Amino acid sequence: GENVEQHPSTLSVQEGDSAVIKCTYSDSASNYFPWYKQELGKRPQLIIDIRSNVGEKKDQRIAVTLNKTAKHFSLHITETQPEDSAVYFCAASNEDYGGSQGNLIFGKGTKLSVKP
Amino acid sequence: DAGVTQSPTHLIKTRGQQVTLRCSPKSGHDTVSWYQQALGQGPQFIFQYYEEEERQRGNFPDRFSGHQFPNYSSELNVNALLLGDSALYLCASSLRTGTQETQYFGPGTRLLVL
Repeated sequence: GENVEQHPSTLSVQEGDSAVIKCTYSDSASNYFPWYKQELGKRPQLIIDIRSNVGEKKDQRIAVTLNKTAKHFSLHITETQPEDSAVYFCAASNEDYGGSQGNLIFGKGTKLSVKP
Repeated sequence: DAGVTQSPTHLIKTRGQQVTLRCSPKSGHDTVSWYQQALGQGPQFIFQYYEEEERQRGNFPDRFSGHQFPNYSSELNVNALLLGDSALYLCASSLRTGTQETQYFGPGTRLLVL
């Protein structure tokens, strides 16, 4: 089955710097890659996602890149702010399996701390 | 437009007991997935319900069962609770449009088994 590895487990940056979190996946059939942000005691919130028919997607200060050949994808946050501090999870699934993406396989998370 | 809601927010049980957790999907969504999130870990897929049937299942024992109602709400049942079942239980709802689907999570139910 699918396995998702996420690095680093913790990341500390100064406000205004960029942060990069990387994930690798094992199943070449995976074609959907979302990123979730989870603040302490709160629900995971989708911040950006990418499908395997594109290599990069941007939304303001957040971008995700996908390398299907190497089976890895990365989250890039520019101009970090203290409110970006949270745990970030990457995930992978095959949207063509069973007619649904339901079986999201998550990485173990990256705790991002943005220091003012 | 209400988002995904779950009840209860917290629950304390003892080993061997049974528990039922509830989830109401986001308005317009017809699919509910359940995940278990242990402390410091990413969510792990338990199963997914669509059209009142279990469509996919992760690597969880039969002690974990579920149900989906005609109004798309869902329940997660866990029998014979073990200490290791202590976790945050998240449900996520979605609606497939064409070939795409996005899951939105509820706030979770934190279960403590003593």
